[in-house]
Amino acid sequence: KQEVTQIPAALSVPEGENLVLNCSFTDSAIYNLQWFRQDPGKGLTSLLLIQSSQREQTSGRLNASLDKSSGRSTLYIAASQPGDSATYLCGLIQGAQKLVFGQGTRLTINP
Amino acid sequence: ETGVTQSPTHLIKTRGQQVTLRCSSQSGHNTVSWYQQALGQGPQFIFQYYREEENGRGNFPPRFSGLQFPNYSSELNVNALELDDSALYLCASSFSRTGGELFFGEGSRLTVL
Repeated sequence: KQEVTQIPAALSVPEGENLVLNCSFTDSAIYNLQWFRQDPGKGLTSLLLIQSSQREQTSGRLNASLDKSSGRSTLYIAASQPGDSATYLCGLIQGAQKLVFGQGTRLTINP
Repeated sequence: ETGVTQSPTHLIKTRGQQVTLRCSSQSGHNTVSWYQQALGQGPQFIFQYYREEENGRGNFPPRFSGLQFPNYSSELNVNALELDDSALYLCASSFSRTGGELFFGEGSRLTVL
């Protein structure tokens, strides 16, 4: 059974810092990995999709990496802004488009 | 291109009642999945529909059921509501049964009293 862990559970940093969010998983037999952000009480917004054959994906200030052999993915956020404050979730896609999620990292960027 | 839309956004029910939640998938997407997200937790997979057939189910009892219509919109039905069913219910659509990017709606917040 796939287990996904996100560390830290919460993170508070001053504006402008670069930061890394971590996602680890126990079963490397995945199709893809997808990073999302979720604002309080809202749905999930897709940030980046990494296919299992890829090592990383970039979109603007965001960079996500995937290392299946070690069961890890990281989301790097450059030059953080207060608008980046949200909960970040990683989800692993395993067959039949079933996403297995971690519990998320709650990120606060302080002005 | 319209995104994934869900209705209603909020609703309150009492224990034992039944509820139907609705989802319109993103244009061109033929696969719909439903997730339950309890407060402070990551979403949990309920089931997926592909071309009107159930195509995978998570660890949820049979009182959670669904439908997908020819236009690929979907419903989630929950019978005999329990207090623990209080959660945010999220619908996601994709154009592929396997491996494609999933796009989520804003969710339906269900409170069971």
